[in-house]
Amino acid sequence: QQPVQSPQAVILREGEDAVINCSSSKALYSVHWYRQKHGEAPVFLMILLKGGEQMRHEKISASFNEKKQQSSLYLTASQLSYSGTYFCGTLGNAGGTSYGKLTFGQGTILTVHP
Amino acid sequence: AAGVIQSPRHLIKEKRETATLKCYPIPRHDTVYWYQQGPGQDPQFLISFYEKMQSDKGSIPDRFSAQQFSDYHSELNMSSLELGDSALYFCASSFLTGGIHGYTFGSGTRLTVV
Repeated sequence: QQPVQSPQAVILREGEDAVINCSSSKALYSVHWYRQKHGEAPVFLMILLKGGEQMRHEKISASFNEKKQQSSLYLTASQLSYSGTYFCGTLGNAGGTSYGKLTFGQGTILTVHP
Repeated sequence: AAGVIQSPRHLIKEKRETATLKCYPIPRHDTVYWYQQGPGQDPQFLISFYEKMQSDKGSIPDRFSAQQFSDYHSELNMSSLELGDSALYFCASSFLTGGIHGYTFGSGTRLTVV
């Protein structure tokens, strides 16, 4: 089942912060976050594992709430280069190991203006 | 570092023609995935291979088939093309099914069916 992302779109000025949320109705093994620029391939940002720690990638961090099956991506002091579509991808949990393929959320379009 | 190589980058075909997309994964990655992405949409999983065996199947039409060869490269064969098949097709590879490592996506093949 497809995870649900919110919000659908965010518009920021350089230096502002944003939070993108991703929630799933099924038990998760891991949550991945990717950023995609228009016409380009999705680029891996980070992965959150069940029972793992909060992760960081430059000024972008993420958390994973296992009880709620939710993950949040935190973008602080946004830069122009942060513009793009952010996708969360989820892997299901089967007996403590991952299985299957990444199912992506519908994406959040982030636009950073000077 | 070596990335996922896809060819061709662009492909224009007429309705009812056949297309073959190629993917060369990162060396030592054991899993290959094919995704289809329409304009403004999230990537939709088509099919995956783990160690040259089909490991999972998604919303792949019967007109499409794929395989992974002994050198680990994969090909997606698409027959009786329809206008609705126009999309970006991404191949991704990962190690250990991507459960604790992210996917690395190729640059994609933009297929246009006219």
